[in-house]
Amino acid sequence: GDSVTQMEGPVTLSEEAFLTINCTYTATGYPSLFWYVQYPGEGLQLLLKATKADDKGSNKGFEATYRKETTSFHLEKGSVQVSDSAVYFCALTNTGGFKTIFGAGTRLFVKA
Amino acid sequence: DSGVTQTPKHLITATGQRVTLRCSPRSGDLSVYWYQQSLDQGLQFLIQYYNGEERAKGNILERFSAQQFPDLHSELNLSSLELGDSALYFCASSLKSGLRGDTQYFGPGTRLTVL
Repeated sequence: GDSVTQMEGPVTLSEEAFLTINCTYTATGYPSLFWYVQYPGEGLQLLLKATKADDKGSNKGFEATYRKETTSFHLEKGSVQVSDSAVYFCALTNTGGFKTIFGAGTRLFVKA
Repeated sequence: DSGVTQTPKHLITATGQRVTLRCSPRSGDLSVYWYQQSLDQGLQFLIQYYNGEERAKGNILERFSAQQFPDLHSELNLSSLELGDSALYFCASSLKSGLRGDTQYFGPGTRLTVL
C-alpha cells in the first residue's frame, strides 16, 4: 500500500542554518504531496503542497519539489528561525483522494 | 485559527467507558476526517465522511464509530475504552471529497486520557 518515510528526528539546528528534512514515498498512480507543520499544543496546518511531478511548493521560506523519478518531496529552508521549531509531517493523498497517509513526523529544534 | 472546532478539549475517563468527540468543520467544507495521534503510532487516519456518507476507512477499531450529520458536524464515538486509546484525536475538514490537492484543515484536537 501507499506509504511515506521521513527522516527521524529530532533535528537540532542553530538559527540561520540550512534545513533539509527528507521525505520519500511509495504510491500507485500520481499522488498529491504535502508538508504539514504542528506547533506545540496545536493541530496540524498545511505548510505547502504539490500536485504533479516537478511542481515546487513554497511558503514562509520553505520549499519542496515533487520528484517522481526519486519518489521524493524533501523540505528545505535556507535560514531557519527559532519560531520554526515544530514537528513537520510529510503526507500524500492517493490518486483516489480518499485517504491521506502521513509520515511519522520530524521534530525540529532551532536554537538561538 | 483553522475554522475547525472540536469539543471537548480534554477528556478524562475510565477503562470500559464510552465517550463522544464532536467536530464542526469549516464553513462550506463537506468532508470530515478523523485522526488519532499517539506517541507510539504517530498520526493514524481513522475515517472520512463526505456530505453525510462514509467515504474511506483507515485503521479504525470496531469499538470506534463515527457519523456525519445533516448540518455536516461529525461525532466520533469510542466505546469499551482501553488504556491504549489514550491519544490526541484530530478532526480535519476539506471542501471536497479528497480531490487531488484538496487541503485538509485541522482542528485543535481532543486529548483523551483513559485511566
